[in-house]
Amino acid sequence: GQQLNQSPQSMFIQEGEDVSMNCTSSSIFNTWLWYKQDPGEGPVLLIALYKAGELTSNGRLTAQFGITRKDSFLNISASIPSDVGIYFCAGPNTGGFKTIFGAGTRLFVKA
Amino acid sequence: DAGVIQSPRHEVTEMGQEVTLRCKPISGHDYLFWYRQTMMRGLELLIYFNNNVPIDDSGMPEDRFSAKMPNASFSTLKIQPSEPRDSAVYFCASSLRQGGATGYTFGSGTRLTVV
Repeated sequence: GQQLNQSPQSMFIQEGEDVSMNCTSSSIFNTWLWYKQDPGEGPVLLIALYKAGELTSNGRLTAQFGITRKDSFLNISASIPSDVGIYFCAGPNTGGFKTIFGAGTRLFVKA
Repeated sequence: DAGVIQSPRHEVTEMGQEVTLRCKPISGHDYLFWYRQTMMRGLELLIYFNNNVPIDDSGMPEDRFSAKMPNASFSTLKIQPSEPRDSAVYFCASSLRQGGATGYTFGSGTRLTVV
């Protein structure tokens, strides 16, 4: 079945650094979603991408929908301690009936 | 809107006991999803409903798991009997659209520990 592969699995960075993570698949996705899960909470939608090549920002976050439609990237600029959490990429499966989630990238920020 | 509300937040039970998790979706959302999250398997979709009707329960691990949605504002996930390997965080989510192209709204989850 369709899978989303996220990398890296975890990141340990210093406050103020920029962060980049990605999500790839062997299948084409028509929508890419990025969620963040704070410790002890459910995932929250950060950014939604609907068109190949699209670049969308939400504050310090920027995400891109890959041209091949098989990948997406999330960048966080000038990280702060509250950026700590798990970042998931996700997308509707081929039939559009289910949302597939990647395994997540765990971000740790040292003040 | 208060968002998706789940209860309880934490549940500790003994193996063999029945466990019931509860969820109130966002008013007006037609789709409700139950997910399970573990370190080993990540987020797994267990079952989803559309207009209170179960559409796909292929993710339900065993017959010990059952879910109901008696009305648009309430759903339950029941495990009977519970086993230690059921320990996980269970999330309920709701959305306006099936495939989640506009995203899901998740609850805060129920952390289940079966001892």
